[in-house]
Amino acid sequence: GNSVTQMEGPVTLSEEAFLTINCTYTATGYPSLFWYVQYPGEGLQLLLKATKADDKGSNKGFEATYRKETTSFHLEKGSVQVSDSAVYFCALTTNTGGFKTIFGAGTRLFVKA
Amino acid sequence: ETGVTQSPTHLIKTRGQQVTLRCSSQSGHNTVSWYQQALGQGPQFIFQYYREEENGRGNFPPRFSGLQFPNYSSELNVNALELDDSALYLCASSSEGRDQPQHFGDGTRLSIL
Repeated sequence: GNSVTQMEGPVTLSEEAFLTINCTYTATGYPSLFWYVQYPGEGLQLLLKATKADDKGSNKGFEATYRKETTSFHLEKGSVQVSDSAVYFCALTTNTGGFKTIFGAGTRLFVKA
Repeated sequence: ETGVTQSPTHLIKTRGQQVTLRCSSQSGHNTVSWYQQALGQGPQFIFQYYREEENGRGNFPPRFSGLQFPNYSSELNVNALELDDSALYLCASSSEGRDQPQHFGDGTRLSIL
């Protein structure tokens, strides 16, 4: 079956710290991988994506690499800001056996000044 | 560019009733997906519609059904409401294909008494 597992939160960091949020997946077929973000008081929005093995998605200083051999898509940022405080969701999308999108449970990030 | 809009924003129903939630997709998008999100959890995929037909379905019973109209707007219908159906229901639109990011509405908060 299809599933996404991401590290539990909350994660609390000081400004300018390095961020890693782990995400691993299981999937039938060959999925596309996404990170979505939900800032306080706002709706879900795309942060970055990768559609094939070894692709790196990047946006706003965040990066994630599609690792097929480890079935992972970890989110990283070299220096977080207070404005990065949000809930981050890892997700996969597959067309095998019909279209499906599977989300992880979300990881809440707090960044302190 | 008009984003994804959902109505109503809040709704209260009682067990056994039926409900219809509505979604207008972002201009230029031809697929619509629906999700159920419980508090503190990631969105759970209900189904996707493309060209007015169901294109994929998650693990939801048949009392969850939908429609897509020629203008790509969509409805989610839930029959025989149960207490566990209380959740935030999200609509997302996109272009077709597993590599396309989804654009989310702000959701309808459904409470079952």
